[in-house]
Amino acid sequence: ETGVTQTPRHLVMGMTNKKSLKCEQHLGHNAMYWYKQSAKKPLELMFVYNFKEQTENNSVPSRFSPECPNSSHLFLHLHTLQPEDSALYLCASSQDQTAYNEQFFGPGTRLTVL
Amino acid sequence: QKEVEQDPGPLSVPEGAIVSLNCTYSNSAFQYFMWYRQYSRKGPELLMYTYSSGNKEDGRFTAQVDKSSKYISLFIRDSQPSDSATYLCAMTTGAGGTSYGKLTFGQGTILTVHP
Repeated sequence: ETGVTQTPRHLVMGMTNKKSLKCEQHLGHNAMYWYKQSAKKPLELMFVYNFKEQTENNSVPSRFSPECPNSSHLFLHLHTLQPEDSALYLCASSQDQTAYNEQFFGPGTRLTVL
Repeated sequence: QKEVEQDPGPLSVPEGAIVSLNCTYSNSAFQYFMWYRQYSRKGPELLMYTYSSGNKEDGRFTAQVDKSSKYISLFIRDSQPSDSATYLCAMTTGAGGTSYGKLTFGQGTILTVHP
């Protein structure tokens, strides 16, 4: 595997379900990001981890819970979601956050909440 | 007012045309400016990156930044059907600490280049 991978690619869940999104980067980076991409809206930064420490929580509802066990893996735990949470969830990584570094994106998980 | 404004299009042009994509922004602290390209069912990929004002050219692509007008542009010369994608502008202040990772994106412009 190369670059940034995300699983699953598609997910359909009910509002009472609990599920998790997984992201893995094979680039040796130290910063990882979760973004939400909704139709006709700009990409929204949700969370940032730099060297496994959370450095940004962009006022995301608590029904989204991130986890970063190491610099290569990032999870987004989902519970009690709402239909308006349906979107493409993108993971990205960069060398780190302390200088400008290119962010590399995964292909995303298309989430549908029924 | 949105921090970054980008015309969502869609924009449809014939092959070989010159394409101009633009974004305006309101935060004068933005210093780093990027253009990402996103193909259908893929994540965005960095196309061009510019620091502060000026022009940058890479093959058929030219990025321009005018900080005095808070306006950035991406020009595509001799456009090809393979250029059909969504183009996203993004920017960050790079004001130190961990701010470099906080990108603010435009809405994206959907471009179709037809043969």
